[in-house]
Amino acid sequence: AQRVTQPEKLLSVFKGAPVELKCNYSYSGSPELFWYVQYSRQRLQLLLRHISRESIKGFTADLNKGETSFHLKKPFAQEEDSAMYYCASNSGGYQKVTFGTGTKLQVIP
Amino acid sequence: DTAVSQTPKYLVTQMGNDKSIKCEQNLGHDTMYWYKQDSKKFLKIMFSYNNKELIINETVPNRFSPKSPDKAHLNLHINSLELGDSAVYFCASSLREAGNTIYFGEGSWLTVV
Repeated sequence: AQRVTQPEKLLSVFKGAPVELKCNYSYSGSPELFWYVQYSRQRLQLLLRHISRESIKGFTADLNKGETSFHLKKPFAQEEDSAMYYCASNSGGYQKVTFGTGTKLQVIP
Repeated sequence: DTAVSQTPKYLVTQMGNDKSIKCEQNLGHDTMYWYKQDSKKFLKIMFSYNNKELIINETVPNRFSPKSPDKAHLNLHINSLELGDSAVYFCASSLREAGNTIYFGEGSWLTVV
């Protein structure tokens, strides 16, 4: 079964500092990988997908197959980035998307 | 508004009661899901339906029964509610051809007292 690991439950950074939210996956094939964000008491929404190779709100994530990682990065944290971030993996088709346990990002003013 | 909508948003009920949460999506998606988010913010899939057919049924008590009358609706009925059922329940949907990006509803906050 595929697994998604987010080792940090809470990450606190100061405004303007770089951010890296870690994510590792276990699927041995070619998974689809996603980052979702949940702002306080709101729905989860897609932040970015690895196949898009895009930057959303200044965040980027690179798939590293050798390390089976998909870390989320942003060079300069902003207060509005404070939220829960979930990494997710889909092994293909309409099989279930597996979510990590989430990391709470707290940006300190 | 095109979206995944679920009702009710808040539900407080007593142990032993039966309750339902309704979900509808007008995105034209073929797959719908129910996820449970507990107090620690862990997100776990409960059920998944594709074109009204059950395709994922995680280890969920039989007290939870999903119903999909058509591919735009996936309702969740819960019998004999227990304290441990208190959580936020998210309905979601996706379209296989669109790369399985999941669109979530706003969540239903269930509190069992």
